[in-house]
Amino acid sequence: GAGVSQTPSNKVTEKGKYVELRCDPISGHTALYWYRQSLGQGPEFLIYFQGTGAADDSGLPNDRFFAVRPEGSVSTLKIQRTERGDSAVYLCASSLTGYDGYTFGSGTRLTVV
Amino acid sequence: QQQVKQSPQSLIVQKGGISIINCAYENTAFDYFPWYQQFPGKGPALLIAIRPDVSEKKEGRFTISFNKSAKQFSLHIMDSQPGDSATYFCAASSRGGSEKLVFGKGMKLTVNP
Repeated sequence: GAGVSQTPSNKVTEKGKYVELRCDPISGHTALYWYRQSLGQGPEFLIYFQGTGAADDSGLPNDRFFAVRPEGSVSTLKIQRTERGDSAVYLCASSLTGYDGYTFGSGTRLTVV
Repeated sequence: QQQVKQSPQSLIVQKGGISIINCAYENTAFDYFPWYQQFPGKGPALLIAIRPDVSEKKEGRFTISFNKSAKQFSLHIMDSQPGDSATYFCAASSRGGSEKLVFGKGMKLTVNP
């Protein structure tokens, strides 16, 4: 596609539930990033994929968060046992190299009630 | 510890004026400094970026000034327009790793007509 696509655009879930957030990167982009943006803050790094492998997952806050990219294109961020503090906008970005800048999607706004 | 500090937090300018946003960083390993523009409900979009081998980069009305010894860089928006009203983030990364970006907290710019 022309840009990075994220679905759903909004997700409301109950505390304790499991959610999956999907990212469709720009075709051919091997680098894929997930960031989390809380209200009034800058995006914070979660995880980086180069191809199919998670090359850097140092930003994942705890083991409730997990992400996959099985075929090197679409990625899914999975959050187990959601907590109210997980409420934020989850941004996905892709890049050819990472070093030349990313293209971000519009994000998924997750609200845990 | 906030690795990238951005100021001011908000700015109001008149149409045609100059908007200046400042950032300071801690990590001397950083070697890529982009600025992102974000409109409500959208992901951040790369505006302009600089590497430390140059002290200034200009693209249209946008100029980055970089001071390596002071570990500071700034964005100047000339002839500011109401359409420039958005939140601006500075960021930094270092080559050789995941090229994950560390973002500042953002500055909300309002350009009055």
